[in-house]
Amino acid sequence: AQSVTQLDSHVSVSEGTPVLLRCNYSSSYSPSLFWYVQHPNKGLQLLLKYTSAATLVKGINGFEAEFKKSETSFHLTKPSAHMSDAAEYFCVVIAPGIKNAGNMLTFGGGTRLMVKP
Amino acid sequence: NAGVTQTPKFQVLKTGQSMTLQCAQDMNHNSMYWYRQDPGMGLRLIYYSASEGTTDKGEVPNGYNVSRLNKREFSLRLESAAPSQTSVYFCASNLRQANYGYTFGSGTRLTVV
Repeated sequence: AQSVTQLDSHVSVSEGTPVLLRCNYSSSYSPSLFWYVQHPNKGLQLLLKYTSAATLVKGINGFEAEFKKSETSFHLTKPSAHMSDAAEYFCVVIAPGIKNAGNMLTFGGGTRLMVKP
Repeated sequence: NAGVTQTPKFQVLKTGQSMTLQCAQDMNHNSMYWYRQDPGMGLRLIYYSASEGTTDKGEVPNGYNVSRLNKREFSLRLESAAPSQTSVYFCASNLRQANYGYTFGSGTRLTVV
């Protein structure tokens, strides 16, 4: 079984300050982990993914995340927030599928990032 | 390059009415999925189709049915809508058995009154 916990439902930062969105996971298998972003009334866009290669993963729009197996964490960071970063962010773990069905995603509850001018 | 296309974008139903949500992808993906998104709960899998001709239940299948019409299309049907089915529905697709990111549609916002 696997689960994902996003430790903050809301995060508020000022423009130009660092962003930290926290994610912890549990998985019976070596996990693949993703971060997705959802802007208001839009679909989900992949930010970055970890698939057992380098533990520090760089994504789009200046975001990066570090996989820490000892802490079972995959926190998302960005050095300097922009107004356009305001959105909801989802941490996701991929689980081996059943019945040879392909991989399936388990989502965290989401973190809403607010950026103040 | 449309990716995953969902229709309709918005819908209001009365309790007991039926409707079908449509999803089509043009990326030649094998697997397709239906999720619902509710506040604070992320996305939960309703049904999935690993490949053309197969469908399986996900985490929250009750009250829904699906049809994998062909490789491109995967529809979700509510036979008798209930207020508890008020949600945002997302269709997604990916290459089977691949750890690539999934491609999501833009969602259908459904309200059942």
